[in-house]
Amino acid sequence: SQQGEEDPQALSIQEGENATMNCSYKTSINNLQWYRQNSGRGLVHLILIRSNEREKHSGRLRVTLDTSKKSSSLLITASRAADTASYFCATRAQGGSEKLVFGKGTKLTVNP
Amino acid sequence: DAGVTQSPTHLIKTRGQHVTLRCSPISGHKSVSWYQQVLGQGPQFIFQYYEKEERGRGNFPDRFSARQFPNYSSELNVNALLLGDSALYLCASSFLGTGVSDIQYFGAGTRLSVL
Repeated sequence: SQQGEEDPQALSIQEGENATMNCSYKTSINNLQWYRQNSGRGLVHLILIRSNEREKHSGRLRVTLDTSKKSSSLLITASRAADTASYFCATRAQGGSEKLVFGKGTKLTVNP
Repeated sequence: DAGVTQSPTHLIKTRGQHVTLRCSPISGHKSVSWYQQVLGQGPQFIFQYYEKEERGRGNFPDRFSARQFPNYSSELNVNALLLGDSALYLCASSFLGTGVSDIQYFGAGTRLSVL
């Protein structure tokens, strides 16, 4: 079953604008990761944030994590047409569980 | 360095048939996980193997089985295929398969169509 829920399900913006995607989850986690998927192909790892971290940056990406609200957000700044993809959050539960639990994803379209 | 490689890329089968999907992990990675992604959904965990031992299993019927070989490559087998098995099957590898900073790297997937 899906644990995470991304919001919004779809997002359409213009090049140069910022894109914000949110993720909520249900159980206590070990870490939370964001992945990108282009046109139903393989997943590309973007960023990992551990449960004891609150914010992390990587290039144009900024991820925040609020474990008290069981939520995370992914901000993509100065978006480009090449950022058009589906974005998924995935959680690894506490207790050493091996699996990643994915949400349904946010489909981002960046218009040139 | 080569990433995670999966074969075949596409596969068409009919109901009741059997299918074998293959995955080669990134060199040095000892853990392989399999996920099923139905159109419009996020990936769902099927299996994880580490050092040839099953470490985790998702909520899938016994028609699904997997194994890991001494070179850490892996096979996913699905018997008695159903229409609902049509999906993108993703393989992911990681160094340890556990830990707060362990990242899973995904292959491009095998798209299975069951007619």
